[in-house]
Amino acid sequence: EAGVTQFPSHSVIEKGQTVTLRCDPISGHDNLYWYRRVMGKEIKFLLHFVKESKQDESGMPNNRFLAERTGGTYSTLKVQPAELEDSGVYFCASSQGGGRQPQHFGDGTRLSIL
Amino acid sequence: QKEVEQNSGPLSVPEGAIASLNCTYSDRGSQSFFWYRQYSGKSPELIMSIYSNGDKEDGRFTAQLNKASQYVSLLIRDSQPSDSATYLCAVILSGGYQKVTFGTGTKLQVIP
Repeated sequence: EAGVTQFPSHSVIEKGQTVTLRCDPISGHDNLYWYRRVMGKEIKFLLHFVKESKQDESGMPNNRFLAERTGGTYSTLKVQPAELEDSGVYFCASSQGGGRQPQHFGDGTRLSIL
Repeated sequence: QKEVEQNSGPLSVPEGAIASLNCTYSDRGSQSFFWYRQYSGKSPELIMSIYSNGDKEDGRFTAQLNKASQYVSLLIRDSQPSDSATYLCAVILSGGYQKVTFGTGTKLQVIP
């Protein structure tokens, strides 16, 4: 069974540009989560999808971030325009069900804003 | 006060010893607790989950939970160099539904 896959693994862009991160969850997992780790800080929750619906987006930092999950399969996270403080590692995770179901993480996308 | 606190380490233990990793959390109503292991540049990997007070054992790993003290720990017996990694304590806070709140992680070094 394939794990959670994220693309790209690294992205370097200039301030003001747009970047789109992609996450493919484990097949059959309705729950998809985005997290972010800024250097030196803990991993922080961004948002949670159940199928194509946003269940909780309380962690999204501002309206420069847009997450979508059309069709309830893969998800994208777009940052537009990117700012220096957006640099970090963006993780995606998925789980089969709700509640105590374990969340399985991808390897992350390392985003660097110059 | 951080919601989930861990000593960042590094914690160095000799091969074969017991490694003890500790975590405290601020929300007394929290019900779900996890330990993730993360190798450099890799994804966090779930190694233990615990929901009730007491100990839970899985192979060389034992998770311990004390809700009254708001404390969760991870013991690794017979530590191996391959256990060297960062260990992340994670908690679903009350009202957090499935939102996992992480500590900053403790870096463990097992010395051969």
